[in-house]
Amino acid sequence: AQSVTQPDIHITVSEGASLELRCNYSYGATPYLFWYVQSPGQGLQLLLKYFSGDTLVQGIKGFEAEFKRSQSSFNLRKPSVHWSDAAEYFCAVVPVIQGAQKLVFGQGTRLTINP
Amino acid sequence: EAGVTQFPSHSVIEKGQTVTLRCDPISGHDNLYWYRRVMGKEIKFLLHFVKESKQDESGMPNNRFLAERTGGTYSTLKVQPAELEDSGVYFCASSQVAGYTDTQYFGPGTRLTVL
Repeated sequence: AQSVTQPDIHITVSEGASLELRCNYSYGATPYLFWYVQSPGQGLQLLLKYFSGDTLVQGIKGFEAEFKRSQSSFNLRKPSVHWSDAAEYFCAVVPVIQGAQKLVFGQGTRLTINP
Repeated sequence: EAGVTQFPSHSVIEKGQTVTLRCDPISGHDNLYWYRRVMGKEIKFLLHFVKESKQDESGMPNNRFLAERTGGTYSTLKVQPAELEDSGVYFCASSQVAGYTDTQYFGPGTRLTVL
């Protein structure tokens, strides 16, 4: 079945440590790929997106993501996390199906930062 | 520029009652989307408006849900009668251009609790 999987429901890292959040998708054709973040009391904010070209995508707030076609993955990374990065992170895709412009989300990964 | 706004931020109703959620998209955005996140699950697409027309309502769970976008500006999502399983967070998003790559901007959501 077509889906987006975020294997980690909750991750805890120390401030200043590196971070990698995993995302895998299951679609026949490579979909368009997105990472969103939701801070408490806020709406979802787009961190970055990938459509084509360079497989390493830079986003806002120091985040980057790497598309790996062979692994059907689009993992989000940050070299050094800050306490303000504590939030819930969502991987999402837009399937390349005619007329379909809806986002399909993974279950989200909640990130906790230890001081 | 104001972002996507949603009202109310939180609604608590009894089973069988009616609730109406409102979304004001970013000014000038023709595309408006509704999504829902039931507790513990992923965010799921409900429907997509282009101006006042329903482009895709494939995610609407049943006929107790009615979405409208009169005049192509704000949208309402009515649940009548509400059931326990309707509890969750309802997100609205808008985008300027209807395309796979266009960024959807999200509101903070309305948390609906049905008792």
